[in-house]
Amino acid sequence: GQNIDQPTEMTATEGAIVQINCTYQTSGFNGLFWYQQHAGEAPTFLSYNVLDGLEEKGRFSSFLSRSKGYSYLLLKELQMKDSASYLCALMDSNYQLIWGAGTKLIIKP
Amino acid sequence: EADIYQTPRYLVIGTGKKITLECSQTMGHDKMYWYQQDPGMELHLIHYSYGVNSTEKGDLSSESTVSRIRTEHFPLTLESARPSHTSQYLCASSDHRPNDSYNEQFFGPGTRLTVL
Repeated sequence: GQNIDQPTEMTATEGAIVQINCTYQTSGFNGLFWYQQHAGEAPTFLSYNVLDGLEEKGRFSSFLSRSKGYSYLLLKELQMKDSASYLCALMDSNYQLIWGAGTKLIIKP
Repeated sequence: EADIYQTPRYLVIGTGKKITLECSQTMGHDKMYWYQQDPGMELHLIHYSYGVNSTEKGDLSSESTVSRIRTEHFPLTLESARPSHTSQYLCASSDHRPNDSYNEQFFGPGTRLTVL
């Protein structure tokens, strides 16, 4: 079966850096996605990793280690608008997304 | 402008009513999905479709039906709504490229359903 774990909630300070971790177990793997979801809104795509290593996109970066079943999302220069839930999602062997419960990130001034 | 739309955005109905949640996309995507999400919880796949006349059940026990008569339209119907159906329903779409796993899903704004 498949399983995704990420912390329920994290708190960080405006202007700082935060790393949100995601661990997974799966028998089939076709990539890992990170989505951002503001309260009451739909998820929006942030990043995709299928090979090991770091993908950088502006203030956001995502890392993947397939051998360890591990990914993280790194957010730099935090802004108040970054307060949201961050969803880790695994694409399985059938190209379906298996979603984590999300990490609620609270940014304090 | 290419987008994905859902109506209604909010719906409050009584138990036993039949309802249809509408979803349309103008991106020409083949694949469409319906998810259910409770606050603070993960998304659960209810139904998906690879294209016209294709519908598949997801991992959530299905008390609903879908149809895909046109590429752009993927409505979800609950034949008899119950309080346990109270949730947010999200529609999404993506390209379907079997040899390219980078199939980002685009989401509609969601329908928040309350069944009394």
